[in-house]
Amino acid sequence: AQSVTQLGSHVSVSEGALVLLRCNYSSSVPPYLFWYVQYPNQGLQLLLKYTSAATLVKGINGFEAEFKKSETSFHLTKPSAHMSDAAEYFCAVTSWNTDKLIFGTGTRLQVFP
Amino acid sequence: DVKVTQSSRYLVKRTGEKVFLECVQDMDHENMFWYRQDPGLGLRLIYFSYDVKMKEKGDIPEGYSVSREKKERFSLILESASTNQTSMYLCASSSGTANSYEQYFGPGTRLTVT
Repeated sequence: AQSVTQLGSHVSVSEGALVLLRCNYSSSVPPYLFWYVQYPNQGLQLLLKYTSAATLVKGINGFEAEFKKSETSFHLTKPSAHMSDAAEYFCAVTSWNTDKLIFGTGTRLQVFP
Repeated sequence: DVKVTQSSRYLVKRTGEKVFLECVQDMDHENMFWYRQDPGLGLRLIYFSYDVKMKEKGDIPEGYSVSREKKERFSLILESASTNQTSMYLCASSSGTANSYEQYFGPGTRLTVT
């Protein structure tokens, strides 16, 4: 079975500060990992994905995430937050033997001026 | 660009009504999914489909059914809507091919049952 835990349902940062959103996964087979972003009243948009190539993955809007097998983590970072980054972020896991994505419960990011 | 469209952005229905939510994708994807999204619970899978006329139950299928008569279209049906089905409903699709596991989402339908 697979699962995802997102630590912190709400994260607040100042504009220009580092963004760190935490995601830990559990998987009995090699995982494929994703971060999605959801802006208010919209669907989910793929930010980045890890599918067993480079462990440091760069995505859209300046975000990146690092796959750390020893820590079973896939934390999302951005060096400098922008007001437009305010949204809800979801981490998700799947593997080669399923087409289903397992989502975390989400982290709402607030950015203060 | 993959495009997934949903028939309504907002919908208000009365308890006991039959409700149809439609989803269409334009990328010839094999897989299609219906989720509901509730605050604090994330996304929960209701039903999914690997192919035309095929369907599989997800984690919370009770009170819902689905139909996939054409590859591009996947419908979610609430046979008799209840207030606890008030939620945001998201449709998604994926290609189902190796190294392409990501899902593409529609804009969502916010359903209110009164």
